[in-house]
Amino acid sequence: NAGVMQNPRHLVRRRGQEARLRCSPMKGHSHVYWYRQLPEEGLKFMVYLQKENIIDESGMPKERFSAEFPKEGPSILRIQQVVRGDSAAYFCASSPVTPTSGGGTDTQYFGPGTRLTVL
Amino acid sequence: GQQLNQSPQSMFIQEGEDVSMNCTSSSIFNTWLWYKQDPGEGPVLLIALYKAGELTSNGRLTAQFGITRKDSFLNISASIPSDVGIYFCAGPSSGTYKYIFGTGTRLKVLA
Repeated sequence: NAGVMQNPRHLVRRRGQEARLRCSPMKGHSHVYWYRQLPEEGLKFMVYLQKENIIDESGMPKERFSAEFPKEGPSILRIQQVVRGDSAAYFCASSPVTPTSGGGTDTQYFGPGTRLTVL
Repeated sequence: GQQLNQSPQSMFIQEGEDVSMNCTSSSIFNTWLWYKQDPGEGPVLLIALYKAGELTSNGRLTAQFGITRKDSFLNISASIPSDVGIYFCAGPSSGTYKYIFGTGTRLKVLA
């Protein structure tokens, strides 16, 4: 998975608790994406961030979900007051360039994912 | 919004057979990415395509960027058991920063 790190790999939470998912992009990549995947389904875009900025969060629920990518440290996807419907695999991907920047460089490299189970 | 439809949804093939799958959209894409996802793992980038008509190979895999810019094809030659997995196409949605992922083709290889 080309060096994108995610932790934890598995996370179990009870309803009402908070879940914090971390993503360290590939070295030199300043663009981070978060996706959610339900079993037997494709990946659904949640949010796109650059260092210290949220660029597009149109795929993220407006309540309970938040994301950040600070100047130093990993990107964090935070889910507050988790519910059973939040159970899914959450993937982070990183890119060295802005999407559709052209020049034959658009690409994304994925991490191994965090599997969240809400009891 | 833009959508990517993949066909077939799933397929069983015999080891050694060639495999073809495609990805179509009602709108134009300027980049096509093909990924493979194994159970419990993240998607792994197989091939990236950037120009209409482009044909690119990666070992036994060959992918083509359709000339209409609305489709792409992935071929696997001489399949082996480790080709089992889900294959996704993806591309950046025009006018946004999102990447759109296809519905996936689930490949199962019978030894």
